[in-house]
Amino acid sequence: DGGITQSPKYLFRKEGQNVTLSCEQNLNHDAMYWYRQDPGQGLRLIYYSQIVNDFQKGDIAEGYSVSREKKESFPLTVTSAQKNPTAFYLCASSAGLAGAGQNEQFFGPGTRLTVL
Amino acid sequence: AQSVTQLDSQVPVFEEAPVELRCNYSSSVSVYLFWYVQYPNQGLQLLLKYLSGSTLVKGINGFEAEFNKSQTSFHLRKPSVHISDTAEYFCAVIRMDSSYKLIFGSGTRLLVRP
Repeated sequence: DGGITQSPKYLFRKEGQNVTLSCEQNLNHDAMYWYRQDPGQGLRLIYYSQIVNDFQKGDIAEGYSVSREKKESFPLTVTSAQKNPTAFYLCASSAGLAGAGQNEQFFGPGTRLTVL
Repeated sequence: AQSVTQLDSQVPVFEEAPVELRCNYSSSVSVYLFWYVQYPNQGLQLLLKYLSGSTLVKGINGFEAEFNKSQTSFHLRKPSVHISDTAEYFCAVIRMDSSYKLIFGSGTRLLVRP
């Protein structure tokens, strides 16, 4: 089955620790995205990547870092610099960035991060 | 700047009743419009999208939406809801000159009661 997997489903972190969230896709998509979701709010874009070895900051990139060494993988690191990291994190991918809105973004199941 | 407004944070409705979830947007350029559904602790699934053509768009699970350019709205409707429709619904837009960045509304929780 083609799709997007995120692991782990639940993650607990102590303050001051970095933590990495995994995102893998087997859809052969070029573009990948990370979003953050907080209660009562929509999704906000953290980082996106159009191709391997290239990525761009989204609206709320501070305190986060990413890498794109392989087409199918786009891990997100939540660093200790992120002041309020407790949230639900969603990874998405699409065939490309362009396409007049026709490149549907497919979402993974999400990782819920809680800082203790 | 673009923004998407979903005025209703929660909409309770009885099973088999019709429902409308409201979405208004503002943008200095033309946009494409989307509705996504999110079931508890899951990712988002595309319900329907408007790119061009007929302003009435039909999606999955019996949902439809109508694009109204003059009112800058894209309301989602279903004539008869089921318990399984209980979920969070998000309206989103993409600027036509920046076709990757989804801008989301804050979501509407649809609660279907028996």
